[in-house]
Amino acid sequence: GQQLNQSPQSMFIQEGEDVSMNCTSSSIFNTWLWYKQDPGEGPVLLIALYKAGELTSNGRLTAQFGITRKDSFLNISASIPSDVGIYFCAGRGIGTASKLTFGTGTRLQVTL
Amino acid sequence: GAVVSQHPSWVICKSGTSVKIECRSLDFQATTMFWYRQFPKQSLMLMATSNEGSKATYEQGVEKDKFLINHASLTLSTLTVTSAHPEDSSFYICSARLTSANYEQYFGPGTRLTVT
Repeated sequence: GQQLNQSPQSMFIQEGEDVSMNCTSSSIFNTWLWYKQDPGEGPVLLIALYKAGELTSNGRLTAQFGITRKDSFLNISASIPSDVGIYFCAGRGIGTASKLTFGTGTRLQVTL
Repeated sequence: GAVVSQHPSWVICKSGTSVKIECRSLDFQATTMFWYRQFPKQSLMLMATSNEGSKATYEQGVEKDKFLINHASLTLSTLTVTSAHPEDSSFYICSARLTSANYEQYFGPGTRLTVT
């Protein structure tokens, strides 16, 4: 099935640094979601975006719904060791029956 | 709120046997649940959409006779892997969608299936 392109694929950062990742699609989405997955666990919803241009924060996390509705961005400020994991974006098209399309994931590793 | 549980969290079975995985929405009702499969270091791939009281909708390439889905109540969906083979070994994750608000999806903790 279709997947969204996420970048970077992986990143090593030092504790305290800010992190940016993005997700792009060839299709328009009406909803963008960002999830974090720890090893051996299911994804946990971090932020949900419902309007083009929307900027939403959840603690140190900030995500934006791109104006073109074909992309989304996630920023993590002042990273800490527990931010380690895989971050997935997911988009949903028009209609409540639409399924989520997942990104390829960004693996984040934080060094002390 | 919006908690989804899965049982078992891991299972080992012999080739040729069947395994049932349960997915429950603990604090909300879900008319729609989803079953995903995830291979190591890969993203989630949707297998099927489970609708309460009706037949599941399977994604292209997913064998409906091999992966039986039952969604008999608003809080429970089950996935049965029939005649399991080693290539069915994977991480299976269910998700339940809210029927109100913005229809957000919440995921269970996953089930690690190993077929020997």
